[in-house]
Amino acid sequence: GEDVEQSLFLSVREGDSSVINCTYTDSSSTYLYWYKQEPGAGLQLLTYIFSNMDMKQDQRLTVLLNKKDKHLSLRIADTQTGDSAIYFCAAPGSGGYNKLIFGAGTRLAVHP
Amino acid sequence: ETGVTQTPRHLVMGMTNKKSLKCEQHLGHNAMYWYKQSAKKPLELMFVYSLEERVENNSVPSRFSPECPNSSHLFLHLHTLQPEDSALYLCASSVLLGNEQFFGPGTRLTVL
Repeated sequence: GEDVEQSLFLSVREGDSSVINCTYTDSSSTYLYWYKQEPGAGLQLLTYIFSNMDMKQDQRLTVLLNKKDKHLSLRIADTQTGDSAIYFCAAPGSGGYNKLIFGAGTRLAVHP
Repeated sequence: ETGVTQTPRHLVMGMTNKKSLKCEQHLGHNAMYWYKQSAKKPLELMFVYSLEERVENNSVPSRFSPECPNSSHLFLHLHTLQPEDSALYLCASSVLLGNEQFFGPGTRLTVL
């Protein structure tokens, strides 16, 4: 079946890099997404990568995609306290309309 | 501001009440979604509408009744809820099914 898996928790020191990992099962994925959810808010689209790319960089964010292993990662450079949030990986599933399948979310805690 | 609004932001209701959640998108999208997010479970897809037609109902109890009168509005009618239905209810929209989704801020529902 369709599945997107993430580790549930990550703690980093302010100024360090954070790496959040995700694995997915569906091989027909075209775009893969990272969403950020701050406390008390909805999910905000953070970045995305097209499946024919290996890497995408956007300021402090770097997305790496390993299609062979179906592994997606989000690296946040120079992590700040404002980066504390839940990060969701999402990939289109199979089926009639490729609905987005969300992971359980990784809670990132940034401490001084 | 994602272009998706939800009202109310907070709702407290008794088990015998009837209430409705409202979602409105100002993005010209054709697909809309209801999700449930609780501490016990990650993001759960409840209903999917495309061009005002319901295309998915993920085994949601009948005490939740969705309504999509037009492509900009989505409602979730609630009646005879249980305390375990207390959660954050998120609405999302996308241009088409399978595209990236834009989320509203959610309605925090508490059932007493």
